[in-house]
Amino acid sequence: DAGITQSPRHKVTETGTPVTLRCHQTENHRYMYWYRQDPGHGLRLIHYSYGVKDTDKGEVSDGYSVSRSKTEDFLLTLESATSSQTSVYFCAISDGTSVTYEQYFGPGTRLTVT
Amino acid sequence: AQKITQTQPGMFVQEKEAVTLDCTYDTSDQSYGLFWYKQPSSGEMIFLIYQGSYDEQNATEGRYSLNFQKARKSANLVISASQLGDSAMYFCAMRATNTGNQFYFGTGTSLTVIP
Repeated sequence: DAGITQSPRHKVTETGTPVTLRCHQTENHRYMYWYRQDPGHGLRLIHYSYGVKDTDKGEVSDGYSVSRSKTEDFLLTLESATSSQTSVYFCAISDGTSVTYEQYFGPGTRLTVT
Repeated sequence: AQKITQTQPGMFVQEKEAVTLDCTYDTSDQSYGLFWYKQPSSGEMIFLIYQGSYDEQNATEGRYSLNFQKARKSANLVISASQLGDSAMYFCAMRATNTGNQFYFGTGTSLTVIP
């Protein structure tokens, strides 16, 4: 199994508070991704990173920011959490630029915003 | 625009029977990869099988095979000899050259295997 961990695994927070989710990998893969999973929508890309300090927006990036200061860590921040950001968040990693490279996923973080 | 469509929200199959989960995709790229993932009720995402756009043969991995019809832009997953442990959500995904490093996912199909 790919070495990907996410912390915390579960979090309940109040509307308006900042939240940071952490993804940590031990595979030295170049690419890291943050997705959210909601019923009826599958997985939607929030942000991704293609190297240290190199990030780009995905389909649903509004309200989220990311940072990657080290190869192994990719942080997702909700600056001011809203109830619409209640979701399951997955981190994924991938190596290489070829379309042949699959993604490996972390275990997920269940976030509830009350 | 890149898009993945899974039109079967839920499927049922008898244990030991084969089942096909549909996936169609839309891309203007010539080079792309198609992937299937399984998500059991425990929540983790498990990579199952990959098919490249230039691969002439359909991919197979154990009981999983991918029925790739390039002209129809379809990449259906076939599970043979279904087992109770196959009950899960199944997601089709695509990665294309011109989308940079992004993956696009379908909305998933929930498969239930009936004893």
